[in-house]
Amino acid sequence: DGGITQSPKYLFRKEGQNVTLSCEQNLNHDAMYWYRQDPGQGLRLIYYSQIVNDFQKGDIAEGYSVSREKKESFPLTVTSAQKNPTAFYLCASSISKTGDGNTDTQYFGPGTRLTVL
Amino acid sequence: SQQGEEDPQALSIQEGENATMNCSYKTSINNLQWYRQNSGRGLVHLILIRSNEREKHSGRLRVTLDTSKKSSSLLITASRAADTASYFCATDEKLVFGQGTRLTINP
Repeated sequence: DGGITQSPKYLFRKEGQNVTLSCEQNLNHDAMYWYRQDPGQGLRLIYYSQIVNDFQKGDIAEGYSVSREKKESFPLTVTSAQKNPTAFYLCASSISKTGDGNTDTQYFGPGTRLTVL
Repeated sequence: SQQGEEDPQALSIQEGENATMNCSYKTSINNLQWYRQNSGRGLVHLILIRSNEREKHSGRLRVTLDTSKKSSSLLITASRAADTASYFCATDEKLVFGQGTRLTINP
């Protein structure tokens, strides 16, 4: 099965702890993205990566970090510096990058719901 | 900066009726996409319309694009209960999403 997976589906964290959300894709896509969604709201871009070993900040990168050591994987770490981390986090991938006039459809994972206790 | 803005924020109709939602954006685009999100799930791509296209169809979906007004509309014909979801438009500048339209189809 080809697709994009996120784990875990639900995640609970104590205040002050770092936590890492997993995102894996076997679609051979170059670009990967992380979004945050708050209740009743749209998606806001946290980080994106156009190619292995490279990533760019999105609109709300503060308090988050990422790595892209493998094409298939783009983990997101929510650090203790993120003041309001409780949200629904969505990972997506696309064949190539967007923003240069060459838009590609994004394929989304099922999401991870993070709750800070 | 938010690019796509959907309108209305919420829409409730009877099964079998048509549903129309709109999207406005602020800057020039190369294309615009519509996505659907079922509650608590990821987004699913529905349709992409390029800036040189005015209308596009996919099954019960019809999308129009008016670049002079910087707006797009999504029409779902003969709605079904399974169409209940949030619908988002996104433009090609890093796929910036609006807040979406929450569509409820009443049986």
